[in-house]
Amino acid sequence: EAQVTQNPRYLITVTGKKLTVTCSQNMNHEYMSWYRQDPGLGLRQIYYSMNVEVTDKGDVPEGYKVSRKEKRNFPLILESPSPNQTSLYFCASSLSGAGGNYGYTFGSGTRLTVV
Amino acid sequence: AQSVTQLDSHVSVSEGTPVLLRCNYSSSYSPSLFWYVQHPNKGLQLLLKYTSAATLVKGINGFEAEFKKSETSFHLTKPSAHMSDAAEYFCVVSFTGGGNKLTFGTGTQLKVEL
Repeated sequence: EAQVTQNPRYLITVTGKKLTVTCSQNMNHEYMSWYRQDPGLGLRQIYYSMNVEVTDKGDVPEGYKVSRKEKRNFPLILESPSPNQTSLYFCASSLSGAGGNYGYTFGSGTRLTVV
Repeated sequence: AQSVTQLDSHVSVSEGTPVLLRCNYSSSYSPSLFWYVQHPNKGLQLLLKYTSAATLVKGINGFEAEFKKSETSFHLTKPSAHMSDAAEYFCVVSFTGGGNKLTFGTGTQLKVEL
């Protein structure tokens, strides 16, 4: 089944403890992206990647890192999480960087709480 | 810069009555427009998309949307609401050359009552 898989689905952590949220897609998509969803704000893009070893900042990149060493994986790294990073996170992928003409496939989300 | 405005944060309808969720966009270039639905505790699912072909777009579950360039609108409609349509709906815009960036509206929560 074609899908984007995120892990974990739920995570509670303490301030300053490094964590990684994994994202993997099995559709050979070139484009991958991370979003955070907060009430009343919709989804905001954190980072995106047009292909392997090509990443760029989205609208809210502060406090996050990403890497794209393989086409299928796009982990999101929080080096020193803070409470304002408590949010619902989504990973998404798309066939290519064709300006959105293709649909985007979203993962099921990771609910992160930083205390 | 591109932006999306969803005009209603909450919409409530009775089962069997029409649904209208409003969306206006702003984009300097020819946009691609999408509607996504998010059911409680679920990820986002693509309902339909407009990519400069027919202006009336049909999607899944009986939803459709009409692209009106003169009004910069992309409203989502359904003739008859079903209880299972209760969810949050997001209008999304992107454009060619924009780095594949999606810009999301703030969402419309649809409530369907008996």
